[in-house]
Amino acid sequence: QQPVQSPQAVILREGEDAVINCSSSKALYSVHWYRQKHGEAPVFLMILLKGGEQKGHEKISASFNEKKQQSSLYLTASQLSYSGTYFCGTDSNDYKLSFGAGTTVTVRA
Amino acid sequence: NAGVTQTPKFQVLKTGQSMTLQCAQDMNHEYMSWYRQDPGMGLRLIHYSVGAGITDQGEVPNGYNVSRSTTEDFPLRLLSAAPSQTSVYFCASSYSRAGGAGELFFGEGSRLTVL
Repeated sequence: QQPVQSPQAVILREGEDAVINCSSSKALYSVHWYRQKHGEAPVFLMILLKGGEQKGHEKISASFNEKKQQSSLYLTASQLSYSGTYFCGTDSNDYKLSFGAGTTVTVRA
Repeated sequence: NAGVTQTPKFQVLKTGQSMTLQCAQDMNHEYMSWYRQDPGMGLRLIHYSVGAGITDQGEVPNGYNVSRSTTEDFPLRLLSAAPSQTSVYFCASSYSRAGGAGELFFGEGSRLTVL
């Protein structure tokens, strides 16, 4: 079952922050985050494993609350290069990585 | 390194025709998978494999077959194409951690149109 992402879209000015949420109805073992630019393949940002781990990638970080079956991606001091569609992927230790519908982020100068 | 290579990049089929989307990786990854991407629906898992000779179904396997005879190759077969299979297809590979995939490396995608 696909996880649910929110919001569907967000528009930011350079330097602003945003949060993207990802929730699942299943118990989660890992959460992946990817970014896709228009016409390109998704690119890996980070993976969080069961244990409430938080990771970072430049000014992009994420948290994973396994009890709530939720993860959040934090975009801090956004840059123009952060524009794209962000996908969370979740699995329940069963090799079936399911992706959400995506959140489109537009960063304007 | 070539990474994950998909062919063809574009294909137009008529309803009922068959074809194979090729996927090859040169990173010695055990885990390989196929996704389809449709507007507003994200990426949906079709089939996956955790090693040569081992494949399993994902969320939307109907109408597709796969095989994994070598670690490098993971072809996706459409036996009788239907307009509902018009989509962009991505192959991805990763190292295999216990119970799941690691960082996925995606191919450039194959855009398929079924008339």
